[in-house]
Amino acid sequence: AQSVTQLDSQVPVFEEAPVELRCNYSSSVSVYLFWYVQYPNQGLQLLLKYLSGSTLVESINGFEAEFNKSQTSFHLRKPSVHISDTAEYFCAVSDTGFQKLVFGTGTRLLVSP
Amino acid sequence: GAVVSQHPSRVICKSGTSVKIECRSLDFQATTMFWYRQFPKQSLMLMATSNEGSKATYEQGVEKDKFLINHASLTLSTLTVTSAHPEDSSFYICSARHLALSSYEQYFGPGTRLTVT
Repeated sequence: AQSVTQLDSQVPVFEEAPVELRCNYSSSVSVYLFWYVQYPNQGLQLLLKYLSGSTLVESINGFEAEFNKSQTSFHLRKPSVHISDTAEYFCAVSDTGFQKLVFGTGTRLLVSP
Repeated sequence: GAVVSQHPSRVICKSGTSVKIECRSLDFQATTMFWYRQFPKQSLMLMATSNEGSKATYEQGVEKDKFLINHASLTLSTLTVTSAHPEDSSFYICSARHLALSSYEQYFGPGTRLTVT
């Protein structure tokens, strides 16, 4: 069985500052890793994913995450955040058979001017 | 593309009544649909997985007789909370997947807030 830990329930940050949202997972098998974003009153949207290959993955809106197998982490980073990045961010893991997603508790990113 | 809708977005019902939540894939055919439950400040918990035309597979601890799931077509799945009680109040989220689109990506609906009084 897999599990995901997002230690930070809320991360306040000023606009244009860098941010890192932490995600650690545990699993006895090989995994795929995902970050989802949920804007207010909307469904979850896939932000980025790690399936295989390069351990550094990027999204189209400037976020990146790095898969670190030795530290069982998949932290999400952005060098300069915008007000519009304010949302709930969920880290998720699945086994390589894509049977189901296991989510972390989410981190609320609050960007203020 | 790959839009999933849920109806209603919010529902209030009295204890003891049943309520149905619909999940629709609007522009693709969903071979698999998932139902999640989300408590405040907690993770999304998978309740069940349903494949079109077959019985849903429930996660451990989820009462299948209380949470009835029907996936009668490739674009519609329903979750019926039977004999609802206040502890069933929660945010219910569905997602849909089609293997032809992606073997891993789930497309999520906006969720339904259920309040049982």
